[in-house]
Amino acid sequence: AQKITQTQPGMFVQEKEAVTLDCTYDTSDPSYGLFWYKQPSSGEMIFLIYQGSYDQQNATEGRYSLNFQKARKSANLVISASQLGDSAMYFCAMRELGFGNEKLTFGTGTRLTIIP
Amino acid sequence: SAVISQKPSRDICQRGTSLTIQCQVDSQVTMMFWYRQQPGQSLTLIATANQGSEATYESGFVIDKFPISRPNLTFSTLTVSNMSPEDSSIYLCSVETIPGQSTDTQYFGPGTRLTVL
Repeated sequence: AQKITQTQPGMFVQEKEAVTLDCTYDTSDPSYGLFWYKQPSSGEMIFLIYQGSYDQQNATEGRYSLNFQKARKSANLVISASQLGDSAMYFCAMRELGFGNEKLTFGTGTRLTIIP
Repeated sequence: SAVISQKPSRDICQRGTSLTIQCQVDSQVTMMFWYRQQPGQSLTLIATANQGSEATYESGFVIDKFPISRPNLTFSTLTVSNMSPEDSSIYLCSVETIPGQSTDTQYFGPGTRLTVL
């Protein structure tokens, strides 16, 4: 069974600093995808970044990068030069490859607060 | 990515009543999903809305409580029936355009914030 663990319930970071949000996962399937979503107080879920299990390079999207360590089964999100608008809940999620396996399994989330 | 809208954005309901939530997508999509997020919790998949057939429910969720319709490739509804305060949650629909590929991303609607008194 899939499992996602986010061990940081909350983080406080000074504006303009970089921040790393931790995510570890567990799956027996060799083919899977890892996702990060941002959820502001409005409640919407905003897709940030994706990493495939066979991708050779770490994914990057603007200020977001994913530190993918396959042997350790970790997929940490790195936000560079944090901004006040980055304050939100962040969820790590995973799905296994294959038709019929579209289910996303989410971690418990990390609440990030950026301090001016 | 797809543009997804949900109606209503929020509602306050009395226990014992039912609420139907609509999800509209601006393009045809193969897969639509309904998630629940209870207060302070993560997201849990309720069911996959299948076009032209019955929805596929996850363990712990039943059709009598959460009937789902999917009349076409751009629209779905979720009904929360016989509501109790424990149903107070954010309900989110999501879509996936290319099934069976781990690279395909699920995009979410803005959510419906439901409070049951």
